[in-house]
Amino acid sequence: DADVTQTPRNRITKTGKRIMLECSQTKGHDRMYWYRQDPGLGLRLIYYSFDVKDINKGEISDGYSVSRQAQAKFSLSLESAIPNQTALYFCATKASGFDTDTQYFGPGTRLTVL
Amino acid sequence: AQTVTQSQPEMSVQEAETVTLSCTYDTSESDYYLFWYKQPPSRQMILVIRQEAYKQQNATENRFSVNFQKAAKSFSLKISDSQLGDAAMYFCAYRSAFQGAQKLVFGQGTRLTINP
Repeated sequence: DADVTQTPRNRITKTGKRIMLECSQTKGHDRMYWYRQDPGLGLRLIYYSFDVKDINKGEISDGYSVSRQAQAKFSLSLESAIPNQTALYFCATKASGFDTDTQYFGPGTRLTVL
Repeated sequence: AQTVTQSQPEMSVQEAETVTLSCTYDTSESDYYLFWYKQPPSRQMILVIRQEAYKQQNATENRFSVNFQKAAKSFSLKISDSQLGDAAMYFCAYRSAFQGAQKLVFGQGTRLTINP
């Protein structure tokens, strides 16, 4: 089984709809991240969380919100989806500590907003 | 803020040959990590290789090696004996050794095609 899972893998929605992307991990990591990938722009950080009570904005947080329901679960919400939020979304996890510098990525969710 | 630039949107190479992907970055920090990630058509982000800035020796992982030039802020990836399975999008990424978030800053990506 995959260590980092994302649901759904693909989603098509309409402008104005609320949508939630979910991420779960079995690696026991305390740090979790949400990135967005757009062609020609690479991956950009939306939100990150150090633990259940510590959530921080990334460089492109406008229009998004997150919830860390448990150490293993980190959800990303689009309260009112708009077409320019069409992108590939990745969740990632990392253990704390500067000597553990590898982030592990989920398989991604492709979101299309019509 | 740190930035990462990959100036080659696309590259192609013949199978079994060697290819080098370029990456430059901008930072005022002295200690950091650099990474190359591979994204095949499956969309999965796979770590290929990493380099600690305080290490002068270039990292190697089997057919993958880097040329890390700290003064020039350059971090290129060399793939030797290219294989069809190497075809993917490749991302260069930076992470500060000091930043609390330990977030990754990515380049724009280079799409690598392997010609049989």
